[in-house]
Amino acid sequence: GAGVSQSPSNKVTEKGKDVELRCDPISGHTALYWYRQRLGQGLEFLIYFQGNSAPDKSGLPSDRFSAERTGESVSTLTIQRTQQEDSAVYLCASSSRTSGRRGDNEQFFGPGTRLTVL
Amino acid sequence: DQQVKQNSPSLSVQEGRISILNCDYTNSMFDYFLWYKKYPAEGPTFLISISSIKDKNEDGRFTVFLNKSAKHLSLHIVPSQPGDSAVYFCAASTMEYGNKLVFGAGTILRVKS
Repeated sequence: GAGVSQSPSNKVTEKGKDVELRCDPISGHTALYWYRQRLGQGLEFLIYFQGNSAPDKSGLPSDRFSAERTGESVSTLTIQRTQQEDSAVYLCASSSRTSGRRGDNEQFFGPGTRLTVL
Repeated sequence: DQQVKQNSPSLSVQEGRISILNCDYTNSMFDYFLWYKKYPAEGPTFLISISSIKDKNEDGRFTVFLNKSAKHLSLHIVPSQPGDSAVYFCAASTMEYGNKLVFGAGTILRVKS
């Protein structure tokens, strides 16, 4: 079946503008994650959705960042009033693991959205 | 505060030889470790994992070793192939963090033919 897809693949915006990034997880995956990777750094956790539970927003760097997920499908990550330090590749991942002990927390990643804030 | 560290930004290996990628962590609560591989313009793909109750896990050409006392893990690829050239990320998780993964900065592996 289809993997995780993200759109757009590239986004160039001006400082101060809002952007919206989209993620379509693998069908049937209950868990969805957003990460970002800034240049030369590892992936940084942003937010985690698990079924109908309240999302874990502990990784969001500021209140300019927000994300929503419709049921167990599409998620959008919104960055308001973008700043140059928001420039990064934003990666979405989904997983079929529901909760509790995870035998293998295999997360399937999308190709990412490269965001450039001028 | 980098909890997962990959101190070698890059590694170059001859085809057919062993590639050894290293990873250190600081949080003793981490109890599950994963390696991901990433090609340019693609998302990371899962490679192999290991639970803290084990010290070795093998899958084909890939073996991950865990040394809990040293808070160190390594990925061995043998024999290395040109198609293995990619960025390798070490990641860790703990029940305290739910299913979130904490990633290292990655190591670029180049396998020369």
